[in-house]
Amino acid sequence: NAGVMQNPRHLVRRRGQEARLRCSPVKGHSHVYWYRQLPEEGLKFMVYLQKENIIDESGMPKERFSAEFPKEGPSILRIQQVVRGDSAAYFCASSHAQLSNTDTQYFGPGTRLTVL
Amino acid sequence: QKEVEQDPGPLSVPEGAIVSLNCTYSNSAFQYFMWYRQYSRKGPELLMYTYSSGNKEDGRFTAQVDKSSKYISLFIRDSQPSDSATYLCAMRGRGNNRLAFGKGNQVVVIP
Repeated sequence: NAGVMQNPRHLVRRRGQEARLRCSPVKGHSHVYWYRQLPEEGLKFMVYLQKENIIDESGMPKERFSAEFPKEGPSILRIQQVVRGDSAAYFCASSHAQLSNTDTQYFGPGTRLTVL
Repeated sequence: QKEVEQDPGPLSVPEGAIVSLNCTYSNSAFQYFMWYRQYSRKGPELLMYTYSSGNKEDGRFTAQVDKSSKYISLFIRDSQPSDSATYLCAMRGRGNNRLAFGKGNQVVVIP
């Protein structure tokens, strides 16, 4: 029973480079969420996706950040032209369809992005 | 005012003590409440999930929700060194999948 898988676990980029973070949800889960955890901060919602659809991107920075969840393959969080302030832990979570009274999100181990 | 307030101050307790953690929230639309445990450099792990006011017990853990006061608590009885972690409260509204988190409480249980 594989849980949420994320890779890479650690990613180092220089300012101006691109970062690609991957997330494979729990088998059978069709909904994916991305959260960011800055040092000394709680997790902040970024984006919620279903297969081939962005449902809620209200937490995504307006520039440089994008996310996708294609029909086949993992969800990707892409950060273009990274800056030092992007250094954080990025967590992916997944769930079944629209959350019910008894359903919630299960988190992956995270990708720790360091921007030099 | 933040949606979810959780005093992030670290908490050290001796083994066997009761750990008491709490969060307050301002958004009355929140209906579902969770506590996650996060070990250092790991992902959050769901501990407790509840959607009604009152108490919910699971082993040594009790989650308490008071919707009228917008206040939730987590109690850990007979605390163990393996309980040393950061505990995050989280919540969401009905029909809204976005989780709002508190900052987290670092708990250290001293043998």
